[in-house]
Amino acid sequence: KAGVTQTPRYLIKTRGQQVTLSCSPISGHRSVSWYQQTPGQGLQFLFEYFSETQRNKGNFPGRFSGRQFSNSRSEMNVSTLELGDSALYLCASSLVGVSTDTQYFGPGTRLTVL
Amino acid sequence: AQSVTQLGSHVSVSEGALVLLRCNYSSSVPPYLFWYVQYPNQGLQLLLKYTSAATLVKGINGFEAEFKKSETSFHLTKPSAHMSDAAEYFCAVSVKGGGSNYKLTFGKGTLLTVNP
Repeated sequence: KAGVTQTPRYLIKTRGQQVTLSCSPISGHRSVSWYQQTPGQGLQFLFEYFSETQRNKGNFPGRFSGRQFSNSRSEMNVSTLELGDSALYLCASSLVGVSTDTQYFGPGTRLTVL
Repeated sequence: AQSVTQLGSHVSVSEGALVLLRCNYSSSVPPYLFWYVQYPNQGLQLLLKYTSAATLVKGINGFEAEFKKSETSFHLTKPSAHMSDAAEYFCAVSVKGGGSNYKLTFGKGTLLTVNP
């Protein structure tokens, strides 16, 4: 079974631009969660989508948004990029969501903001 | 709110030595606990999880962890380190929030170095 895929793997943007990251979950998984990983703050939860609905949200500004499509694929968008948005963005999929369910992580998208 | 503290951002052991990575959590409700491993330029992979069944949990690659409620700890151990164990390890707690949804909170991570 194919794992979680994320595209693109690497991205370089400049301040003020916007970016869209994509995540394809494991087949049959309906939950997709997004995390930001930085050396200073570690892994921080952004949001979780389940059956096209945002089910939970972390403490990030409104510039960070996401959506999920009917095939469970998810996109994350960051508008008006800031230098501090440089990070590894990880998505994780699971059958029913965050609880006791195992989260399967993708390899991440490394975003660099110049 | 729940939180996770990993004691020691960097642990170094010799090949064949005991690996002990420490994790303490705070939660007002019974938590579910996880250990994940991250190899360079890769995502996270689940090592093991505690979901209120047996307090001693066995995972992949010879790792195990013991849930101790009285100490609010979930330390990760492996009797004999292998060079391939060198990676970053994350402890995480999943707790139901104000609504009916769970949230996964990670510790800052512990980088394990294995010396030959």
